[in-house]
Amino acid sequence: NAGVTQTPKFQVLKTGQSMTLQCAQDMNHNSMYWYRQDPGMGLRLIYYSASEGTTDKGEVPNGYNVSRLNKREFSLRLESAAPSQTSVYFCASSAVGETQYFGPGTRLLVL
Amino acid sequence: GENVEQHPSTLSVQEGDSAVIKCTYSDSASNYFPWYKQELGKGPQLIIDIRSNVGEKKDQRIAVTLNKTAKHFSLHITETQPEDSAVYFCAASNTGRRALTFGSGTRLQVQP
Repeated sequence: NAGVTQTPKFQVLKTGQSMTLQCAQDMNHNSMYWYRQDPGMGLRLIYYSASEGTTDKGEVPNGYNVSRLNKREFSLRLESAAPSQTSVYFCASSAVGETQYFGPGTRLLVL
Repeated sequence: GENVEQHPSTLSVQEGDSAVIKCTYSDSASNYFPWYKQELGKGPQLIIDIRSNVGEKKDQRIAVTLNKTAKHFSLHITETQPEDSAVYFCAASNTGRRALTFGSGTRLQVQP
C-alpha cells in the first residue's frame, strides 16, 4: 500500500516548455487534489476532483490544466511554464469529507 | 472564501517545554480542522484533527482545542522532543467546500 505517489520528484524547465505532473493513489479515494507550496504561503489549492469525471478550480488555477484519468490517477499539466510556477507541487487524496493524505511532492524550477 | 491565519510563524522551545500554535478562521461554515506536520523534503502528514461538534481532542502529547464562537483553534504539544521539530500547518474546510484552506505554517524548533 503505497498511499499517494507523485512523479517526477524534481524537474527543471525552461520558460515556455510544457510538462505533466503525475499523481496516483491506491486507497480507493473518490477525491483528489493538487496544491502548490511557496515559501511563507502555506499550501494553495490549484484544482480538485471530487469524483471520477469531475474537476473544479481552486484558489490558483491560472496556467494549469488537470485530467482525472480514472479513480486512481489525477494529472496536472503546465502548457507553457513561467518562472512564477516555480514551486513545490503536492497531490492529495481523500474519501468524501474525510482526511486528506498527501504525496511526497514534485519540486519544479522554471528558468 | 475561507481565510486561515496562523501564529506564530516561528517558535523555539527547550526540550521538555510545551508549544502552542494558534489559528483563526473566517468562514463560520467550516466544520473540520486538521493539523499537519511537514518535515524537510516531505509532504504534510496529518497529526490530529477535530470536528466542530467537539471542543477538545487529545492524542498522547498532542491536543487540539476549538472555540467555534471565537473561530479559534489551537495545537498544544507537551513534553516536546527534538523530533517534534518541523513545520506545522493548520487548515479548515467544510463538507460543501471539500478542499482545505491552509494557514501559512509555523516552524517549530525544539532545542536539546
